[in-house]
Amino acid sequence: DGGITQSPKYLFRKEGQNVTLSCEQNLNHDAMYWYRQDPGQGLRLIYYSQIVNDFQKGDIAEGYSVSREKKESFPLTVTSAQKNPTAFYLCASSILGTSLVGEQYFGPGTRLTVT
Amino acid sequence: AQSVAQPEDQVNVAEGNPLTVKCTYSVSGNPYLFWYVQYPNRGLQFLLKYITGDNLVKGSYGFEAEFNKSQTSFHLKKPSALVSDSALYFCAVRDEDSNYQLIWGAGTKLIIKP
Repeated sequence: DGGITQSPKYLFRKEGQNVTLSCEQNLNHDAMYWYRQDPGQGLRLIYYSQIVNDFQKGDIAEGYSVSREKKESFPLTVTSAQKNPTAFYLCASSILGTSLVGEQYFGPGTRLTVT
Repeated sequence: AQSVAQPEDQVNVAEGNPLTVKCTYSVSGNPYLFWYVQYPNRGLQFLLKYITGDNLVKGSYGFEAEFNKSQTSFHLKKPSALVSDSALYFCAVRDEDSNYQLIWGAGTKLIIKP
C-alpha cells in the first residue's frame, strides 16, 4: 500500500528533552511538510521540504528542526527550546511542479504530550 | 494578505438534509482550492479540489463544492447528510505564487444528528 506513516501514534516526554517524530512516505513525492494542530485551530506549517537536503521554515519553526537526507523520510525534532510542544503533529507530502497542483496526502499524526 | 476564512466554527444538520460548509478566500493570483476532512485523532483526507474549469467540483463521499469567483467563495455541499459525515472540515487555498504552500482555514466542525 502506498501512503505516509508516522510513528509513534502517541508520545510522552518530560520537559527539557528533545524528541524526534518519524515520517516516511512511499508515494515518491518530492515535497514533504510538517504541521502542528492545536485544539480549535487550523493547521500551522512548521517546516517543508521540496527536495532532498533542502528545507524551509514555515510559520512556526522556532523550537523545531528537520532533516531531509532521503526522499522518503522527513523527521521532525521537537527541541527543549519549543515552549509549548504538546500538540498533534501531522506530516504530509505532495507532488511538485509548476504545472501540477497536487493535493497533500497526510499521515495519521503523532500526539505529543510533554509534562 | 492571503487568507482563508471558514466563518462557522460548527454546523449542525439533521440526517437526510442538505449540508453546506462555507469557505471564503483572499489570494493575489489564481486560487487553487481544496477541501479536506478530518475524523477524530486522524490525519486529514482529501475530498476535492478546484483548479480551473467547471465551477461545480465533485469529490469523494458524495461531496461537491461550488467555486464562485465574484464572491471569492468555495462552499462545500452535500445533498443528503449522513451521520458518518460528522467530522472536522478544512478549506485550503494555494496561490500560484505561494511556493507550493497551502493556506488553511481554521476548520468547521460538522455535526449530523440522527
